Amino acid sequence: DAGVTQSPTHLIKTRGQHVTLRCSPISGHKSVSWYQQVLGQGPQFIFQYYEKEERGRGNFPDRFSARQFPNYSSELNVNALLLGDSALYLCASSLATGVGNTIYFGEGSWLTVV
Amino acid sequence: RKEVEQDPGPFNVPEGATVAFNCTYSNSASQSFFWYRQDCRKEPKLLMSVYSSGNEDGRFTAQLNRASQYISLLIRDSKLSDSATYLCVVGGPPSGYSTLTFGKGTMLLVSP
Repeated sequence: DAGVTQSPTHLIKTRGQHVTLRCSPISGHKSVSWYQQVLGQGPQFIFQYYEKEERGRGNFPDRFSARQFPNYSSELNVNALLLGDSALYLCASSLATGVGNTIYFGEGSWLTVV
Repeated sequence: RKEVEQDPGPFNVPEGATVAFNCTYSNSASQSFFWYRQDCRKEPKLLMSVYSSGNEDGRFTAQLNRASQYISLLIRDSKLSDSATYLCVVGGPPSGYSTLTFGKGTMLLVSP
């Protein structure tokens, strides 16, 4: 069975540009979360979606947005890119939200902003 | 105070050594606790969940002390393949939504 898949795996953008990252959860999983991992730090929570509704938002500026589609796949959008947005962006899926739901991470999308 | 704090690393140990990682968390409402392992430039992978009663998985033992808000991971008989960054992770509220809060991670380097 396929795990969490993310695309693209690597990309380079220029300051001020916009980026869209995509995620397909494990089949049957209805919850998708996004995390940002800056080099040398642990992942930091950005968004959680469940059944196409936003269920949680981390401490990130409004330049960051996301959505979940009817097939439970998700997109993370970042506008007006800054150098500090360079990071590994991780998508995670789980069957549902709440305690007891194991969370599985995709391999991530490496974003470099120059 | 950071929400999840871990020992700064790296830890350099020889094969066969026993190594312990410590972690504290600040949110007393946290409901779930984990150790994740992350290899260089890879995604985090669940190593084990941590329960109040303590739990063991082969060479790995995890402990949780809710009163002290302290989590630990013990690795016995270290292998070269244990070299990785170990992330202490705390799960959010039990209802509505759940999110993971990660520590910064502690790097382990096991040498021959």
